[in-house]
Amino acid sequence: QVTLRESGPALVKPTQTLTLTCTFSGFSLSTSGMCVSWIRQPPGKALEWLARIDWDDDKYYSTSLKTRLTISKDTSKNQVVLTMTNMDPVDTATYFCARKYYASGESFDYWGQGTLVTVSS
Amino acid sequence: QSVLTQPPSVSGAPGQRVTISCTGSSSNIGANYDVHWYQQLPGTAPKLLIYANSNRPSGVPDRFSGSKSGTSASLAITGLQAEDEADYYCQSYDSSLSGSVVFGGGTKLTVL
Repeated sequence: QVTLRESGPALVKPTQTLTLTCTFSGFSLSTSGMCVSWIRQPPGKALEWLARIDWDDDKYYSTSLKTRLTISKDTSKNQVVLTMTNMDPVDTATYFCARKYYASGESFDYWGQGTLVTVSS
Repeated sequence: QSVLTQPPSVSGAPGQRVTISCTGSSSNIGANYDVHWYQQLPGTAPKLLIYANSNRPSGVPDRFSGSKSGTSASLAITGLQAEDEADYYCQSYDSSLSGSVVFGGGTKLTVL
């Protein structure tokens, strides 16, 4: 079955760089039409899409956060990595990775459980 | 301020029907992008509920249905049950944001 799991630090200091890893199973990111996105949710707030990487290594970023984000993949390890620079307390959120596949109409059909990242000195 | 507008909260008694609206614009829902709906139970990750406006993934009860018209979409839940109490989010894409993913602000459904 398809599973995704986020991992990374629970606490980062302001101005530091955050690195999150999404490790998945049950599908391959080399399959045509397969994509993985990162989405975050501040406590008590709405979902916010951050970035996406496609099977052909195309990358897309939130226009408001583009300068701070980098997404990459390691197909052999079934991992997608997101880095976010210059972290600020407003970036405190639960970070999710999610799969997008054309067969589900371009929706996010599988999600990881999320990892809470707190930004504080 | 979310690109897609949802009511902050809706409520209904068990067995009743409720609807949740998702209002967009000509650059997202009105630009013929599909709308997807997610259910988020407290403390859990979102779960896909409806994809491509009106399609239910395997395992989602037929009490949940979706529709889309013009620049808006709706999620309807019939035969409301206590376990339906959750946050619901709509999602689409927006051409004015280089095709970026956009979410609604979320709607808290309370089962009275």
